[in-house]
Amino acid sequence: DIQMTQSPSTLSASVGDRVTITCRASQTISSWLAWYQQKPGKAPKLLMYKASALESGVPSRFSGSGSETDFTLTISSLQPDDFATYYCKQYNSYSFFTFGPGTKVV
Amino acid sequence: EVQLVDSGGGLVQPGGSLRLSCAASGFAFEKHWMSWVRQAPGEGLEWVANINGDGSDKYYVDSVKGRFTVSRDNAKNSLFLQMNSLTVEDTALYYCARYDTDNHKGFDYWGQGTLVTVPS
Repeated sequence: DIQMTQSPSTLSASVGDRVTITCRASQTISSWLAWYQQKPGKAPKLLMYKASALESGVPSRFSGSGSETDFTLTISSLQPDDFATYYCKQYNSYSFFTFGPGTKVV
Repeated sequence: EVQLVDSGGGLVQPGGSLRLSCAASGFAFEKHWMSWVRQAPGEGLEWVANINGDGSDKYYVDSVKGRFTVSRDNAKNSLFLQMNSLTVEDTALYYCARYDTDNHKGFDYWGQGTLVTVPS
Protein backbone atom coordinates (compact mmCIF):
# COMPACT_ATOMS: atom_id res chain seq x y z
CA ASP A 1 0.00 0.00 0.00
CA ILE A 2 1.11 3.54 -0.71
CA GLN A 3 2.00 5.62 2.32
CA MET A 4 1.98 9.42 2.36
CA THR A 5 4.09 11.74 4.46
CA GLN A 6 3.76 15.49 4.87
CA SER A 7 6.07 18.14 6.22
CA PRO A 8 5.99 20.09 8.32
CA SER A 9 3.28 18.84 10.65
CA THR A 10 2.77 22.37 11.94
CA LEU A 11 3.71 25.56 10.17
CA SER A 12 3.79 28.93 11.86
CA ALA A 13 3.27 31.81 9.43
CA SER A 14 1.97 35.33 9.15
CA VAL A 15 -0.44 37.00 6.79
CA GLY A 16 1.36 37.78 3.56
CA ASP A 17 3.92 34.99 3.92
CA ARG A 18 4.68 32.52 1.15
CA VAL A 19 3.90 29.08 2.50
CA THR A 20 5.03 25.71 1.13
CA ILE A 21 3.86 22.30 2.27
CA THR A 22 5.53 19.12 1.07
CA CYS A 23 3.96 15.71 0.47
CA ARG A 24 5.82 12.53 -0.41
CA ALA A 25 4.46 9.19 -1.62
CA SER A 26 6.16 5.89 -0.78
CA GLN A 27 5.92 4.88 -4.44
CA THR A 28 5.21 6.61 -7.69
CA ILE A 29 1.66 7.90 -8.16
CA SER A 30 2.19 9.85 -11.38
CA SER A 31 0.15 13.03 -10.81
CA TRP A 32 -2.74 11.43 -8.93
CA LEU A 33 -2.49 13.73 -5.97
CA ALA A 34 -5.05 16.08 -4.44
CA TRP A 35 -4.84 18.69 -1.72
CA TYR A 36 -7.63 19.46 0.75
CA GLN A 37 -8.15 22.23 3.26
CA GLN A 38 -10.03 21.55 6.47
CA LYS A 39 -11.18 24.00 9.09
CA PRO A 40 -12.38 22.96 12.56
CA GLY A 41 -15.86 21.47 12.53
CA LYS A 42 -16.08 21.49 8.75
CA ALA A 43 -15.77 18.92 5.99
CA PRO A 44 -12.61 19.04 3.92
CA LYS A 45 -12.55 21.21 0.82
CA LEU A 46 -10.83 20.24 -2.42
CA LEU A 47 -8.14 22.74 -3.43
CA MET A 48 -5.99 21.02 -6.06
CA TYR A 49 -6.25 17.84 -8.08
CA LYS A 50 -3.99 15.96 -10.49
CA ALA A 51 -1.14 17.59 -8.55
CA SER A 52 -1.36 21.01 -10.17
CA ALA A 53 -4.95 21.66 -11.30
CA LEU A 54 -6.80 24.32 -9.32
CA GLU A 55 -10.33 23.43 -8.31
CA SER A 56 -12.99 25.84 -9.49
CA GLY A 57 -13.57 28.69 -7.08
CA VAL A 58 -10.28 28.26 -5.24
CA PRO A 59 -8.17 31.44 -5.11
CA SER A 60 -5.21 31.59 -7.47
CA ARG A 61 -2.80 32.15 -4.58
CA PHE A 62 -2.94 28.38 -4.17
CA SER A 63 -0.77 26.31 -6.49
CA GLY A 64 0.46 22.75 -6.65
CA SER A 65 3.40 21.05 -8.28
CA GLY A 66 5.22 17.76 -8.47
CA SER A 67 4.88 14.29 -9.92
CA GLU A 68 5.79 10.68 -9.21
CA THR A 69 6.62 10.82 -5.48
CA ASP A 70 7.28 14.44 -4.49
CA PHE A 71 4.67 17.17 -4.38
CA THR A 72 4.21 20.65 -2.98
CA LEU A 73 1.34 22.95 -2.16
CA THR A 74 2.20 26.65 -2.17
CA ILE A 75 0.20 29.59 -0.91
CA SER A 76 1.78 32.63 -2.49
CA SER A 77 0.52 35.16 0.05
CA LEU A 78 -1.14 33.76 3.14
CA GLN A 79 -4.53 35.27 3.93
CA PRO A 80 -6.45 35.18 7.24
CA ASP A 81 -8.89 32.64 5.78
CA ASP A 82 -6.03 30.23 5.01
CA PHE A 83 -5.25 29.24 8.61
CA ALA A 84 -6.38 25.63 8.53
CA THR A 85 -5.12 22.07 8.22
CA TYR A 86 -4.02 20.83 4.81
CA TYR A 87 -4.03 17.22 3.67
CA CYS A 88 -2.58 15.62 0.58
CA LYS A 89 -4.20 12.47 -0.78
CA GLN A 90 -3.02 9.96 -3.35
CA TYR A 91 -5.59 8.38 -5.62
CA ASN A 92 -3.44 6.37 -7.98
CA SER A 93 -5.84 3.44 -7.91
CA TYR A 94 -9.48 3.06 -6.91
CA SER A 95 -8.41 0.10 -4.79
CA PHE A 96 -6.62 2.22 -2.22
CA PHE A 97 -6.56 5.92 -1.44
CA THR A 98 -4.29 7.41 1.22
CA PHE A 99 -4.30 10.75 3.00
CA GLY A 100 -1.20 12.36 4.38
CA PRO A 101 -1.14 13.08 8.13
CA GLY A 102 -1.89 16.77 7.65
CA THR A 103 -0.14 20.12 8.06
CA LYS A 104 -1.64 22.65 10.42
CA VAL A 105 -0.97 26.26 9.46
CA VAL A 106 -1.04 28.47 12.54
CA GLU B 1 -26.74 22.07 -6.50
CA VAL B 2 -24.83 18.99 -5.42
CA GLN B 3 -25.69 17.88 -1.90
CA LEU B 4 -24.60 14.95 0.23
CA VAL B 5 -26.36 14.40 3.55
CA ASP B 6 -24.90 11.87 5.97
CA SER B 7 -26.96 10.16 8.64
CA GLY B 8 -27.16 7.09 10.84
CA GLY B 9 -24.39 7.70 13.33
CA GLY B 10 -24.76 7.16 17.04
CA LEU B 11 -23.51 5.46 20.17
CA VAL B 12 -22.98 1.72 19.79
CA GLN B 13 -21.40 -0.79 22.13
CA PRO B 14 -18.23 -2.68 21.15
CA GLY B 15 -19.12 -5.57 18.90
CA GLY B 16 -22.29 -3.88 17.75
CA SER B 17 -23.44 -2.79 14.32
CA LEU B 18 -24.53 0.42 12.66
CA ARG B 19 -25.63 1.40 9.16
CA LEU B 20 -24.69 4.80 7.82
CA SER B 21 -26.53 6.46 4.96
CA CYS B 22 -25.69 9.24 2.55
CA ALA B 23 -28.46 10.89 0.54
CA ALA B 24 -27.21 12.42 -2.69
CA SER B 25 -28.88 15.01 -4.90
CA GLY B 26 -28.09 17.45 -7.67
CA PHE B 27 -26.01 15.17 -9.88
CA ALA B 28 -26.11 11.93 -11.83
CA PHE B 29 -25.43 9.69 -8.84
CA GLU B 30 -25.08 6.47 -10.80
CA LYS B 31 -22.19 7.86 -12.87
CA HIS B 32 -19.82 8.49 -10.01
CA TRP B 33 -17.65 6.44 -7.71
CA MET B 34 -18.53 7.22 -4.10
CA SER B 35 -16.47 6.90 -0.95
CA TRP B 36 -16.52 6.91 2.82
CA VAL B 37 -13.84 8.80 4.73
CA ARG B 38 -13.53 8.95 8.51
CA GLN B 39 -11.83 11.19 11.02
CA ALA B 40 -11.23 10.11 14.60
CA PRO B 41 -11.51 12.89 17.19
CA GLY B 42 -8.52 15.20 16.90
CA GLU B 43 -6.96 13.07 14.19
CA GLY B 44 -6.44 13.18 10.44
CA LEU B 45 -8.50 11.89 7.56
CA GLU B 46 -8.65 8.19 6.74
CA TRP B 47 -10.09 6.75 3.54
CA VAL B 48 -12.43 3.85 4.38
CA ALA B 49 -14.13 2.53 1.24
CA ASN B 50 -14.83 3.09 -2.45
CA ILE B 51 -17.69 1.84 -4.60
CA ASN B 52 -18.13 2.26 -8.33
CA GLY B 53 -21.20 3.56 -10.12
CA ASP B 54 -23.12 0.32 -10.46
CA GLY B 55 -21.93 -1.14 -7.17
CA SER B 56 -19.94 -3.98 -8.72
CA ASP B 57 -16.49 -2.83 -7.52
CA LYS B 58 -15.78 -2.20 -3.85
CA TYR B 59 -12.55 -1.52 -2.02
CA TYR B 60 -11.74 -1.09 1.66
CA VAL B 61 -8.92 -0.01 3.93
CA ASP B 62 -7.37 -3.07 5.58
CA SER B 63 -8.60 -2.16 9.07
CA VAL B 64 -12.27 -2.54 8.09
CA LYS B 65 -12.10 -5.43 5.62
CA GLY B 66 -14.48 -8.20 6.59
CA ARG B 67 -16.37 -5.92 9.00
CA PHE B 68 -17.67 -3.04 6.86
CA THR B 69 -19.67 -3.25 3.65
CA VAL B 70 -20.25 -0.35 1.29
CA SER B 71 -23.31 -0.42 -0.96
CA ARG B 72 -25.52 1.91 -2.94
CA ASP B 73 -29.07 2.20 -4.22
CA ASN B 74 -28.96 4.21 -7.43
CA ALA B 75 -32.75 4.28 -7.68
CA LYS B 76 -32.80 6.17 -4.38
CA ASN B 77 -29.55 8.12 -4.90
CA SER B 78 -28.23 6.68 -1.68
CA LEU B 79 -24.91 5.36 -0.38
CA PHE B 80 -24.59 3.10 2.63
CA LEU B 81 -21.94 1.78 4.99
CA GLN B 82 -22.85 -1.28 7.03
CA MET B 83 -20.49 -1.49 9.98
CA ASN B 84 -20.28 -4.68 12.03
CA SER B 85 -18.08 -5.83 14.90
CA LEU B 86 -17.38 -2.24 15.85
CA THR B 87 -14.43 -1.43 18.09
CA VAL B 88 -13.27 1.62 19.99
CA GLU B 89 -10.91 2.35 17.09
CA ASP B 90 -13.92 2.89 14.79
CA THR B 91 -15.00 5.95 16.76
CA ALA B 92 -14.93 8.78 14.24
CA LEU B 93 -16.85 11.28 12.18
CA TYR B 94 -17.78 9.50 8.98
CA TYR B 95 -18.09 11.49 5.75
CA CYS B 96 -19.43 10.35 2.42
CA ALA B 97 -17.70 11.93 -0.53
CA ARG B 98 -18.19 12.04 -4.26
CA TYR B 99 -15.28 11.08 -6.47
CA ASP B 100 -15.54 13.20 -9.61
CA THR B 101 -15.42 10.34 -12.08
CA ASP B 102 -15.72 12.60 -15.12
CA ASN B 103 -12.63 14.67 -14.36
CA HIS B 104 -10.77 12.50 -11.83
CA LYS B 105 -10.52 15.33 -9.38
CA GLY B 106 -10.74 13.26 -6.26
CA PHE B 107 -13.38 14.15 -3.69
CA ASP B 108 -15.07 17.31 -4.92
CA TYR B 109 -18.16 17.13 -2.69
CA TRP B 110 -18.50 15.95 0.90
CA GLY B 111 -21.32 15.31 3.31
CA GLN B 112 -21.43 17.05 6.65
CA GLY B 113 -20.40 13.88 8.47
CA THR B 114 -22.13 11.61 10.95
CA LEU B 115 -20.54 10.72 14.28
CA VAL B 116 -20.03 7.12 15.35
CA THR B 117 -19.05 6.57 18.97
CA VAL B 118 -17.94 3.19 20.31
CA PRO B 119 -17.19 3.59 24.04
CA SER B 120 -14.43 1.71 25.81
